[in-house]
Amino acid sequence: DTGVSQDPRHKITKRGQNVTFRCDPISEHNRLYWYRQTLGQGPEFLTYFQNEAQLEKSRLLSDRFSAERPKGSFSTLEIQRTEQGDSAMYLCASSTDREVETQYFGPGTRLLVL
Amino acid sequence: GQNIDQPTEMTATEGAIVQINCTYQTSGFNGLFWYQQHAGEAPTFLSYNVLDGLEEKGRFSSFLSRSKGYSYLLLKELQMKDSASYLCAVRASGSARQLTFGSGTQLTVLP
Repeated sequence: DTGVSQDPRHKITKRGQNVTFRCDPISEHNRLYWYRQTLGQGPEFLTYFQNEAQLEKSRLLSDRFSAERPKGSFSTLEIQRTEQGDSAMYLCASSTDREVETQYFGPGTRLLVL
Repeated sequence: GQNIDQPTEMTATEGAIVQINCTYQTSGFNGLFWYQQHAGEAPTFLSYNVLDGLEEKGRFSSFLSRSKGYSYLLLKELQMKDSASYLCAVRASGSARQLTFGSGTQLTVLP
């Protein structure tokens, strides 16, 4: 098991551009979560997938943000018309759907919007 | 809603014991997690409590009191590599079970 992977690890973009991040969860983990973390804060929940279904979205997820998990495996998070306030670490986590499950985090994608 | 409080910073000496406290107020509770996060890296899972009491795992132990909305992480025999941010997180009840994190406690271990 290679763990959760994310790509790219770093992204620098100009304000107004669109960016897309990818997350590959641990194989056989059917739950996938996206979080955002800014400096000095803990991760904040953005959205959650059970297999290919997006079951919950935080109010932090504005209409500029969209996430997909088309085949229930990898997921993408797209940010349209980026703003400087979008600069953060975007973390992906996955877990099983057992009653007691642990979320395992990927290394994150650090986004800087200039 | 959920509110989680933990100290911002702590300092301890190599070889010593340190206790990091976490208090929480939640509208639903389905477990409390502790994660370790080194600068620039992802959080890594340390411990999980859903019932009251102490869970021990090597040098790390975690305690939970659900009636008091209180947990602590105990680190024994501190090593320099333990310098990191320690995140307390509560799992919501319901189907999503997303984690709500505190802001983290930055622990510095001095020689």
